[in-house]
Amino acid sequence: DQQVKQNSPSLSVQEGRISILNCDYTNSMFDYFLWYKKYPAEGPTFLISISSIKDKNEDGRFTVFLNKSAKHLSLHIVPSQPGDSAVYFCAASVQGNKLVFGAGTILRVKS
Amino acid sequence: GAVVSQHPSWVICKSGTSVKIECRSLDFQATTMFWYRQFPKQSLMLMATSNEGSKATYEQGVEKDKFLINHASLTLSTLTVTSAHPEDSSFYICSAHGHGSYNEQFFGPGTRLTVL
Repeated sequence: DQQVKQNSPSLSVQEGRISILNCDYTNSMFDYFLWYKKYPAEGPTFLISISSIKDKNEDGRFTVFLNKSAKHLSLHIVPSQPGDSAVYFCAASVQGNKLVFGAGTILRVKS
Repeated sequence: GAVVSQHPSWVICKSGTSVKIECRSLDFQATTMFWYRQFPKQSLMLMATSNEGSKATYEQGVEKDKFLINHASLTLSTLTVTSAHPEDSSFYICSAHGHGSYNEQFFGPGTRLTVL
């Protein structure tokens, strides 16, 4: 049972435009959500997170939106830069316990 | 930010041998460390959760006798793949969770294991 789903395996965006990465979840007990960025042959790097008591969290070019009723979250990157090209994983946890990861979305930012 | 290292970064071994992978938290004490496995083009799959000074908790389907985990100190956890076979070839990643990072895990750079 895949509790965290990233239905788009890849996304291609022009430099300077907005990148929107989506994530859906099924477990209503999840209370914390995170986005990680990963380059090949490297470990994931934490990007941004959001608690279930919020619906938006912003950090520089990165904004995460949470829609609890739809069990959906999204990561917005504005403006997109070529260095943002990587695999993006969303993850969720219940009360700080183990993270459940989505399958990842490959983002390619074209210059 | 918190730094987690892994050693070795890659290893090639013969079938039947055992391989030890180290995970260290360099600038914080990790009460909990996690071991993940990633197959090509797939997500990170949690293998086990390791708490300092106690036995690891393994996820369903992960053989504890094959993947031995030791968390002897607050800065070091080891994963030993015993009697490795080609199907164990994968990318193994550890992460650490300290007192001050309730929900955030800091990941190591990963170890690429190839079993011939």
